[in-house]
Amino acid sequence: DAMVIQNPRYQVTQFGKPVTLSCSQTLNHNVMYWYQQKSSQAPKLLFHYYDKDFNNEADTPDNFQSRRPNTSFCFLDIRSPGLGDAAMYLCATSRDSPRGLLHNEQFFGPGTRLTVL
Amino acid sequence: KNQVEQSPQSLIILEGKNCTLQCNYTVSPFSNLRWYKQDTGRGPVSLTIMTFSENTKSNGRYTATLDADTKQSSLHITASQLSDSASYICVVRPSNTGKLIFGQGTTLQVKP
Repeated sequence: DAMVIQNPRYQVTQFGKPVTLSCSQTLNHNVMYWYQQKSSQAPKLLFHYYDKDFNNEADTPDNFQSRRPNTSFCFLDIRSPGLGDAAMYLCATSRDSPRGLLHNEQFFGPGTRLTVL
Repeated sequence: KNQVEQSPQSLIILEGKNCTLQCNYTVSPFSNLRWYKQDTGRGPVSLTIMTFSENTKSNGRYTATLDADTKQSSLHITASQLSDSASYICVVRPSNTGKLIFGQGTTLQVKP
């Protein structure tokens, strides 16, 4: 089945120790998104890739970086995790135009729960 | 400012009962509204989508309504089951951007 896969499902890291979260998709969608969702809050968009074009949200901290080496894979790098970065990180994909005007559904992965000790 | 407000914040019902979740939005210009179900520790899964011209959409025991004039939507769950326990998120998409506007969600707990 076509799907969005996130690894690992649970990640524990130490304060300040870099961590990388992985997302892969078999949907062949051209847009990939990373969201941060803290407990009992709505998902917050961090950035997205339209094909290889990276689009950062204005309020995303510099501590968060992303890579998309090919259509199928996208990575979220947290360079120096702080206690406030503990959250669920959701990857989503969609097929869309550059300005997102096709309004196609975003398909979400199961998320990676990040714990910072 | 584009906003989506949901109520109630949480809800507990007995198995077999019906319930209705509310969503009010101030998103403009409007493209579509989706209801997502998010199980604990999982990603959101789309239940229904409605555009401006649609005022009701069903998916099994889930029925969503949309009043584009008052900018309100509801999600009605019929004959609730234990597996309905989850967070239900109302998500509105403006027509001039691909960025989704998420509500805070309603946490539903269905008890036996």
